[in-house]
Amino acid sequence: GQNIDQPTEMTATEGAIVQINCTYQTSGFNGLFWYQQHAGEAPTFLSYNVLDGLEEKGRFSSFLSRSKGYSYLLLKELQMKDSASYLCAGPSYNQGGKLIFGQGTELSVKP
Amino acid sequence: DSGVTQTPKHLITATGQRVTLRCSPRSGDLSVYWYQQSLDQGLQFLIQYYNGEERAKGNILERFSAQQFPDLHSELNLSSLELGDSALYFCASSVSGTEYGYTFGSGTRLTVV
Repeated sequence: GQNIDQPTEMTATEGAIVQINCTYQTSGFNGLFWYQQHAGEAPTFLSYNVLDGLEEKGRFSSFLSRSKGYSYLLLKELQMKDSASYLCAGPSYNQGGKLIFGQGTELSVKP
Repeated sequence: DSGVTQTPKHLITATGQRVTLRCSPRSGDLSVYWYQQSLDQGLQFLIQYYNGEERAKGNILERFSAQQFPDLHSELNLSSLELGDSALYFCASSVSGTEYGYTFGSGTRLTVV
């Protein structure tokens, strides 16, 4: 199987740091994506980790451990506009590249 | 503007009816993917086309069908609509597979009444 698990919701304070975790079954995925989705809008690409380790991109960083089937998205200096759903997704080895999405983590940033 | 165009943005229709959702991929992208997102549900993969050919199929109902035309635009046909089909339907495109991720369109919100 290719299940992806992430917490349903999280709350954090403006200016703080938050880490959103994602675990998945290690077989069948070639790396891991993170997307951000505001309510009623299209998901937008945040990051793609194909190798183990940390990738930093401004206020957002993403980490991957392929052997552990574990990834996290780290958001620093939280802003109110970061309130959104964060989706991790794995590209399937077979069937030509479809992305399997987790249920998403609804992040609420409070003042 | 992501470059992926979906029409219509909103659609309200009655149970039992049939609708067609349209997607034009980003210029240069050969793959088109369709996803369904119901209220409080994650993105559920429906089907993928690559350069006119079906490449992968998800949990797509038999009442649903899709195709990709020579100009690479795609249509998702939903028939015998039920209340439970009310959802956001997203189209995404990529060059081929997922090496560079997807680009999503803004979605079509379908409401079945």
